[in-house]
Amino acid sequence: EPEVTQTPSHQVTQMGQEVILRCVPISNHLYFYWYRQILGQKVEFLVSFYNNEISEKSEIFDDQFSVERPDGSNFTLKIRSTKLEDSAMYFCASSEEYYNEQFFGPGTRLTVL
Amino acid sequence: AQKVTQAQTEISVVEKEDVTLDCVYETRDTTYYLFWYKQPPSGELVFLIRRNSFDEQNEISGRYSWNFQKSTSSFNFTITASQVVDSAVYFCALSEAMDSSYKLIFGSGTRLLVRP
Repeated sequence: EPEVTQTPSHQVTQMGQEVILRCVPISNHLYFYWYRQILGQKVEFLVSFYNNEISEKSEIFDDQFSVERPDGSNFTLKIRSTKLEDSAMYFCASSEEYYNEQFFGPGTRLTVL
Repeated sequence: AQKVTQAQTEISVVEKEDVTLDCVYETRDTTYYLFWYKQPPSGELVFLIRRNSFDEQNEISGRYSWNFQKSTSSFNFTITASQVVDSAVYFCALSEAMDSSYKLIFGSGTRLLVRP
């Protein structure tokens, strides 16, 4: 069964460093998302991506964040200069159509020291 | 503004008990979608069900059932004869047709502990 994959599963970085979180959505899906979950809290929307452009971004998704779909299969989230408060689990999700369920990857746990 | 409320922070039951997880939502849209996701201790988010606003028919899948009532803006989830493997955090979520991104708005989750 097709699934969303994410790498790495855990990333530890120093404050101020750049990180790139990678996702491979399900191949025939058209809508892509990043969410984050701070430990013990709810899942929060970061950004949505369709037709090679951002369709919406949340207040969390400031100028330090960017997304790319560089090669038609990968979907990446870059944080340019990480802060302590960026420590969270980051989930990638994809859906076939806008009204379909979103399937989530296993997440990348980002720890900023 | 859209909002999802899961008032039960944590529920503890003994195996084989039935348990209902509550979800109340707020939306101004007439077309919207409701979801339940399960987050087991391993951390992944597992899709359970999607319902659109025009389909109020209740659904049953094995030991799981969902009750959607537009009149009370609720989309409750019942597990019958609970099992230890049902222990997880359960999230209710909403997306709206007027929202171009169809992002999911999640509730704060209900942690279910099923004791043997």
